[in-house]
Amino acid sequence: LAKTTQPISMDSYEGQEVNITCSHNNIATNDYITWYQQFPSQGPRFIIQGYKTKVTNEVASLFIPADRKSSTLSLPRVSLSDTAVYYCLVGMYSSASKIIFGSGTRLSIRP
Amino acid sequence: GAVVSQHPSRVICKSGTSVKIECRSLDFQATTMFWYRQFPKQSLMLMATSNEGSKATYEQGVEKDKFLINHASLTLSTLTVTSAHPEDSSFYICSASSTGGGLNEKLFFGSGTQLSVL
Repeated sequence: LAKTTQPISMDSYEGQEVNITCSHNNIATNDYITWYQQFPSQGPRFIIQGYKTKVTNEVASLFIPADRKSSTLSLPRVSLSDTAVYYCLVGMYSSASKIIFGSGTRLSIRP
Repeated sequence: GAVVSQHPSRVICKSGTSVKIECRSLDFQATTMFWYRQFPKQSLMLMATSNEGSKATYEQGVEKDKFLINHASLTLSTLTVTSAHPEDSSFYICSASSTGGGLNEKLFFGSGTQLSVL
């Protein structure tokens, strides 16, 4: 999988919009971008996935520029319960792929 | 969404004993399962990849004789930590991908197992 780079940590306040950017300069043509959320002592949970432009679901939005060398996870109006670690993964999953996690971004939301 | 069930969620054992962790895909067939371990405040480290009916592929530095992985069916993979020692204490997580693969396949994760070896 393409190597990813994310900020180690971010802080924000309840009600704010939070944007977490992930750099993936070596992304391949067939690679998708997937974000996962992990709470302490739990397994990661799928948030959103995209290939290009913009994807939105009930939880977040994912913005991907034309060159696809980066992506931004946008969390609207965060709450305390959004405090978690967010991982950006880039790749094409198949039975031959290894799923390697980067360091992730530790997001802390304050009242 | 797809569900991956992992048991037990927490286990405490004495040094030298073996511990088995089960990972089941409840509503889909998982051709591939991944096992990770995670230390506090660190990212997930891939231990091994297992494909149904074949031997697991271990990452460099992971002892295959210590961490036995069995993926005998499309819905069940097990990780056995043999002769556990305190340094094996960690959070173990399994994940599964569904059959067929695909360019935009997602991973589904178990809830993790906290292993504490005394």
